[in-house]
Amino acid sequence: NAGVTQTPKFRILKIGQSMTLQCTQDMNHNYMYWYRQDPGMGLKLIYYSVGAGITDKGEVPNGYNVSRSTTEDFPLRLELAAPSQTSVYFCASSYSENTEAFFGQGTRLTVV
Amino acid sequence: QKEVEQDPGPLSVPEGAIVSLNCTYSNSAFQYFMWYRQYSRKGPELLMYTYSSGNKEDGRFTAQVDKSSKYISLFIRDSQPSDSATYLCAMTGYGGATNKLIFGTGTLLAVQP
Repeated sequence: NAGVTQTPKFRILKIGQSMTLQCTQDMNHNYMYWYRQDPGMGLKLIYYSVGAGITDKGEVPNGYNVSRSTTEDFPLRLELAAPSQTSVYFCASSYSENTEAFFGQGTRLTVV
Repeated sequence: QKEVEQDPGPLSVPEGAIVSLNCTYSNSAFQYFMWYRQYSRKGPELLMYTYSSGNKEDGRFTAQVDKSSKYISLFIRDSQPSDSATYLCAMTGYGGATNKLIFGTGTLLAVQP
């Protein structure tokens, strides 16, 4: 029972590099979310999707892009990485906007 | 004004104490209120889920929602060292601007044996 799977778990990126954080869920959930968590700052919503082909911005979308071509996958793309993007990134999914969200184990990203 | 405000903590209590965690929110359209617990280096997990106003009890945990005051609380009775974690409030609603799960900043709780 995999749930929400994120890869990679850890990554060190140089300033200006790009990368994609992968997120896959096997629960046939419609909603998927990307959050970032900085120390003492809780979870800030980057982007979310209510279904395949539909994405929308959250609180802190600048510097990120997403796509949702399938129900299962919701990758997060970082273009031109900056030190301010050093954070822990969590992907989550839920059946609808008002049901339990299940989280992945997170990706720890450091930009140097 | 942030949509969801949460007491920052950190909070340190002795084992057996009653713990009170709180959040306030600004958007009256929020209808569903949740508390997530996050252990160190782990993803958050749902602890309590409440719809609209009222109380909900589950073992040592009680969640309260007061929509008139836009205030939610989580009470932990007989706190245990295993309760040491970060507690995040979260809320959502139907459609429009509230059709996404918004979190508070989290409160770090340490229960001392």
